[in-house]
Amino acid sequence: EVQLVESGGGLVQPGGSLRLSCAASGFTVSINYMSWVRQAPGKGLEWVSVIYTGGSTYYADSVKGRFTISRDNSKNTLYLQMNSLRTEDTAVYYCAREARVRGAPFDYWGQGTLVTVSS
Amino acid sequence: DIQMTQSPSSLSASVGDRVTITCRASQSITSYLNWYQQKPGKAPNLLIYAASSLQSGVPSRFSGSGSGTDFTLTISSLQPEDFATYYCQQSYSTPPYTFGQGTKLEIK
Repeated sequence: EVQLVESGGGLVQPGGSLRLSCAASGFTVSINYMSWVRQAPGKGLEWVSVIYTGGSTYYADSVKGRFTISRDNSKNTLYLQMNSLRTEDTAVYYCAREARVRGAPFDYWGQGTLVTVSS
Repeated sequence: DIQMTQSPSSLSASVGDRVTITCRASQSITSYLNWYQQKPGKAPNLLIYAASSLQSGVPSRFSGSGSGTDFTLTISSLQPEDFATYYCQQSYSTPPYTFGQGTKLEIK
C-alpha cells in the first residue's frame, strides 16, 4: 500500500528555518517525480517544488532561493529545507507523488504537516 | 507561468442535481488537466486526470472534458458526500504547476 507521512512542522519565528520530511512506503521515491504542495489557512492549494527522478528541481517563485527540495534514497524519504521563513509561508505542507500517466497528476498525498511562522 | 481560472468560486446545489465546474488555462495545456476533491482537514483526492480519465475508485458520476484551454468537471447526480471544494491543476510542460483557486460546493 502506498503511503506518505510528513513530519517536521511546527512553530518557527520569522527568519528561522525548518526541515520537513516525507517518509514513503509502498513505492520508491527515487523513481518517481515528487512534489511539495502547500495550503495557507482558509486558502487554496499552491504548488511549491518538485524533484525529478534525475535530480532536477524546480520551485515556485515565492520560495525560490529560500527552500530546497531533496531526497534520501536509502531512507526512501523526501525533504523540504525551508530557510528565511516568512509569515506568508504559514501553511499545511503536503508531499505528493506524481503519477506516471498522461496528465501527470498527483495520485498520492500525505496527510500534511502544519508550519506556523510567527513571532 | 500558466494561470488557471476556475468558475464559479462557490456553488450551492441540492442532492441529485447535475453540477458543472469550469476551469480555463491562460494558454493551451492540451489535456494536462487534473481535478481534485478536498474535504475540510483532509488532503486533496484525485478525481480526474488527463482531462477526462477517471481515477480508479472514483464514482462514475464524476466526469471531465475539454482540451486546450477550456475544461469542465461534471457531477451527474450530487450525493451528500460530494459537498467539498474542487480544484483543477495543470501539469503541462516544465513547472511551475498551478492550481485553480478552487470551487466550494455547498448544500442548498
